Amino acid sequence: QKEVEQDPGPLSVPEGAIVSLNCTYSNSAFQYFMWYRQYSRKGPELLMYTYSSGNKEDGRFTAQVDKSSKYISLFIRDSQPSDSATYLCAFKGGYQKVTFGIGTKLQVIP
Amino acid sequence: DTGVSQNPRHKITKRGQNVTFRCDPISEHNRLYWYRQTLGQGPEFLTYFQNEAQLEKSRLLSDRFSAERPKGSFSTLEIQRTEQGDSAMYLCASSFYPETGNTIYFGEGSWLTVV
Repeated sequence: QKEVEQDPGPLSVPEGAIVSLNCTYSNSAFQYFMWYRQYSRKGPELLMYTYSSGNKEDGRFTAQVDKSSKYISLFIRDSQPSDSATYLCAFKGGYQKVTFGIGTKLQVIP
Repeated sequence: DTGVSQNPRHKITKRGQNVTFRCDPISEHNRLYWYRQTLGQGPEFLTYFQNEAQLEKSRLLSDRFSAERPKGSFSTLEIQRTEQGDSAMYLCASSFYPETGNTIYFGEGSWLTVV
């Protein structure tokens, strides 16, 4: 079983739609949960960071963590063409290595 | 604060040649990480430093790869006798432990193409 499972997509949605991106994980040692956005041929950019179960909101973005189910989600409201990118979930335990999913490619159609 | 800086951004090299990438972390960041990313995959951990000490290396880091951070500031990643399988984007990231140690900030990456 892989430590992190993430659907690579691609996911195509119309502008203004609500986008739901998800990851599952198997490592119980993961304590910190992150989402990165990566535009083509660029480095990943940190979007959201949380360390507890529940929801965290930042503008149009909401990160949700369910530790009991080992499941995290990122919701994007009122999606824009500029949100078209690859979204990477990332996890960290007490040690220092951050483990990434393979990324979901999102395209928002105008 | 200008972010994590990586050079060169692109490198094309012939198989068997050596290449070196440089990373300048965010000022005051004491932790520095190297990751590798291939097309369609997420970043894979290679190694990390706290100040000048290299604290962890992945099994992905073969003997042909060496990383240094001699003064605890910038870092270099050298790949000797490059192979076509080394073609990837090499990402550097930094963090300030402990305050922001659980989040890492990436540079724009250095693309390597081995022909």
